[in-house]
Amino acid sequence: GAVVSQHPSWVICKSGTSVKIECRSLDFQATTMFWYRQFPKQSLMLMATSNEGSKATYEQGVEKDKFLINHASLTLSTLTVTSAHPEDSSFYICSAQRDRGYEQYFGPGTRLTVT
Amino acid sequence: AQSVTQPDIHITVSEGASLELRCNYSYGATPYLFWYVQSPGQGLQLLLKYFSGDTLVQGIKGFEAEFKRSQSSFNLRKPSVHWSDAAEYFCAVSGNTGTASKLTFGTGTRLQVTL
Repeated sequence: GAVVSQHPSWVICKSGTSVKIECRSLDFQATTMFWYRQFPKQSLMLMATSNEGSKATYEQGVEKDKFLINHASLTLSTLTVTSAHPEDSSFYICSAQRDRGYEQYFGPGTRLTVT
Repeated sequence: AQSVTQPDIHITVSEGASLELRCNYSYGATPYLFWYVQSPGQGLQLLLKYFSGDTLVQGIKGFEAEFKRSQSSFNLRKPSVHWSDAAEYFCAVSGNTGTASKLTFGTGTRLQVTL
């Protein structure tokens, strides 16, 4: 149990376009979902925390107008990178949490390349 | 603020040798501690976690970790390493409620296994 999927697993887009990444909890309801960004050979940096039905909470330094997060249901959260630029190229990983205080279950990640 | 230090960026061990990956944390209360493994281009897999109770925690794939409050450490160990253990290992800390449930990751230790 506790499987989290992400779609797509990799995407290439042109500079200036927007791209949406989906994160789904397949066999449990996720009250909270987290979005992380990982640069090559670096650690995971938390971008934002989202709770179902409410606005996401962004970490300091993360542009909320650029990285739009929607947590429309207890099993789906989306991250939209708007007007993407090459510096947005990265590995984006989501995680889902059943209840506050429980562990996070991680998705397999999405590799975004902006050309 | 919570933080995690993994002092070893890269470790090389021979297959069959024992392994210890170091992790030191900073947290104002009793922490929740985690070890994750990440293979190249993949998401994170939970190896083990410590919430409370016995300070020696057993995980998957033959890994164990020991929580030492006096040293603020949560080192990961394996008695005999297999070539398939080569990967990136992340230690992480969180609290147990509200915003304190956010995970903070260390910078990771890359494990190389020689045959």
